[in-house]
Amino acid sequence: GAGVSQSPRYKVAKRGQDVALRCDPISGHVSLFWYQQALGQGPEFLTYFQNEAQLDKSGLPSDRFFAERPEGSVSTLKIQRTQQEDSAVYLCASSSQGQGYNSPLHFGNGTRLTVT
Amino acid sequence: KQEVTQIPAALSVPEGENLVLNCSFTDSAIYNLQWFRQDPGKGLTSLLLIQSSQREQTSGRLNASLDKSSGRSTLYIAASQPGDSATYLCAVMNTGFQKLVFGTGTRLLVSP
Repeated sequence: GAGVSQSPRYKVAKRGQDVALRCDPISGHVSLFWYQQALGQGPEFLTYFQNEAQLDKSGLPSDRFFAERPEGSVSTLKIQRTQQEDSAVYLCASSSQGQGYNSPLHFGNGTRLTVT
Repeated sequence: KQEVTQIPAALSVPEGENLVLNCSFTDSAIYNLQWFRQDPGKGLTSLLLIQSSQREQTSGRLNASLDKSSGRSTLYIAASQPGDSATYLCAVMNTGFQKLVFGTGTRLLVSP
């Protein structure tokens, strides 16, 4: 497939557990984004990578959230000590160009996280 | 802080109707505005991207307009079909930032 791939598709975690969500962007895409989407809401920005550099992490809600993209391709979003308010769909998106360009975003199908 | 509002929140129309979805934003210093479609349980599909210097973009039965000074965009869907049923999201990218700020979407149902 040529699209953005996210895994797992669904994740159920008990409160206090750590989780790791994976994103495989479209091959060669420079920019990678993570968004959080609560039920009935639009996505909210979490963080942005250009290649391996995390250029904007202003949307991460707390220091329990951590994202990395060590080789400039696959990215992982990690949430430590999950809380019920972390329950949401986590969307990954990539685009072919970096800052300063008008390139459309390609989204994955998301990971639905439920914290019980 | 940029805020994006979409009206109406939900819309139900019979097949064949032309329809308009509205989007407004509070900060006119935008780099681009994008319209997306989201099907239940799926990610977002990019429909149209309008650069800040452009007034409109067209793709098939879709036409999006942008009036930056008044902070408004519309998405026009011609001859609607049941397959158009989805949630339509508007998002803006502010100048100097890479993140998109999304509205809460318009849920569209087109009945056969």
